[in-house]
Amino acid sequence: DAGVIQSPRHEVTEMGQEVTLRCKPISGHNSLFWYRQTMMRGLELLIYFNNNVPIDDSGMPEDRFSAKMPNASFSTLKIQPSEPRDSAVYFCASRWGGNNSPLHFGNGTRLTVT
Amino acid sequence: AQSVTQLDSQVPVFEEAPVELRCNYSSSVSVYLFWYVQYPNQGLQLLLKYLSGSTLVKGINGFEAEFNKSQTSFHLRKPSVHISDTAEYFCAVSLDSNYQLIWGAGTKLIIKP
Repeated sequence: DAGVIQSPRHEVTEMGQEVTLRCKPISGHNSLFWYRQTMMRGLELLIYFNNNVPIDDSGMPEDRFSAKMPNASFSTLKIQPSEPRDSAVYFCASRWGGNNSPLHFGNGTRLTVT
Repeated sequence: AQSVTQLDSQVPVFEEAPVELRCNYSSSVSVYLFWYVQYPNQGLQLLLKYLSGSTLVKGINGFEAEFNKSQTSFHLRKPSVHISDTAEYFCAVSLDSNYQLIWGAGTKLIIKP
């Protein structure tokens, strides 16, 4: 079990550039979550997929953010255009089963927008 | 609405001393309870969970937690901490009817040598 794999681990970009974060969930998991973590706001849920279908994207801060899950083994979170306030650590997490199952987190992508 | 409160943002403790990290929740329905640990520059990983049954739950790395329904608490304990326990600890709650986890703000455990 390789765990949830996120890439890149670090991303530094200039304001206005497009950023794409990638996530490979654990094989067999049927739910995927994207979170953002900052000192000020803690952990925020951005979007939740179940069986590759976006169920709740109410946490996506603006239209600049979009997420896709084209198949069960891959998801992307895109920010276009990026802004300095998007600087944060972005986590992907997956789980198998229902709401009593634990989440498995990747090691995150630390995004810095200058 | 459900909420999770971790009263202490930081807990300093000497190495080999016991520690308790507090978590209280509010909910009018039954909940599932989790503790996660986040080591520096890593993602969160599950320490332990309470789903039902025995109120004392044992987890990894010598941690345990006790579910107290009357006090709506799920405090995390370890009898003797090690420098490697330095991390941030998050309490979380979920419902059977909702996919979302409600997260506490986290408690940083600081181990003093």
